[in-house]
Amino acid sequence: NAGVTQTPKFQVLKTGQSMTLQCAQDMNHEYMSWYRQDPGMGLRLIHYSVGAGITDQGEVPNGYNVSRSTTEDFPLRLLSAAPSQTSVYFCASRISADSGNTIYFGEGSWLTVV
Amino acid sequence: AQSVTQLDSQVPVFEEAPVELRCNYSSSVSVYLFWYVQYPNQGLQLLLKYLSGSTLVKGINGFEAEFNKSQTSFHLRKPSVHISDTAEYFCAVSYIQGAQKLVFGQGTRLTINP
Repeated sequence: NAGVTQTPKFQVLKTGQSMTLQCAQDMNHEYMSWYRQDPGMGLRLIHYSVGAGITDQGEVPNGYNVSRSTTEDFPLRLLSAAPSQTSVYFCASRISADSGNTIYFGEGSWLTVV
Repeated sequence: AQSVTQLDSQVPVFEEAPVELRCNYSSSVSVYLFWYVQYPNQGLQLLLKYLSGSTLVKGINGFEAEFNKSQTSFHLRKPSVHISDTAEYFCAVSYIQGAQKLVFGQGTRLTINP
């Protein structure tokens, strides 16, 4: 009963490096999203997808890219990491775009950019 | 645009005391309302949600919340807290129509003292 799985759980990057945070769900959910969590700011939406091949920007998309080639996977790419991207990242999914449905979160990825 | 304000960043209470965590939202259209809980180093879990119908919503772990449309509030309550309720609590709102993004408040850290 995996749910939403994120990897890696912890990562340290140097400024300018690139990396991909992986997210996979096994619930056949159409909707997937990425949030970042910063102290005192709650969770802010980075990018989201309402189905394979469809992505859109959230509140804080700059510096991040996403793609959705399959229903199961929704990777988040940092092309050139900056210290401002030090944060905890959460992937989430729900069965459809209807926000009345419960959204399920992964356990988070702690990213530090030095 | 919709926004969510959690009026207290930290709430300390004694075990077995009642607690209320306050949440106000701003929106001129109909919304869905949610409360999520985050235990240390974990992802978020749904406590309860209001979609329609009765304004008093009951959730898991003995929590309940009341939707007040005139005051645009969705306060979370529990009559008697336990040490295990120590966590961060997030209020969230989503439009029913259009772009159904989930917008989170800043979070309230609930600390239960013995």
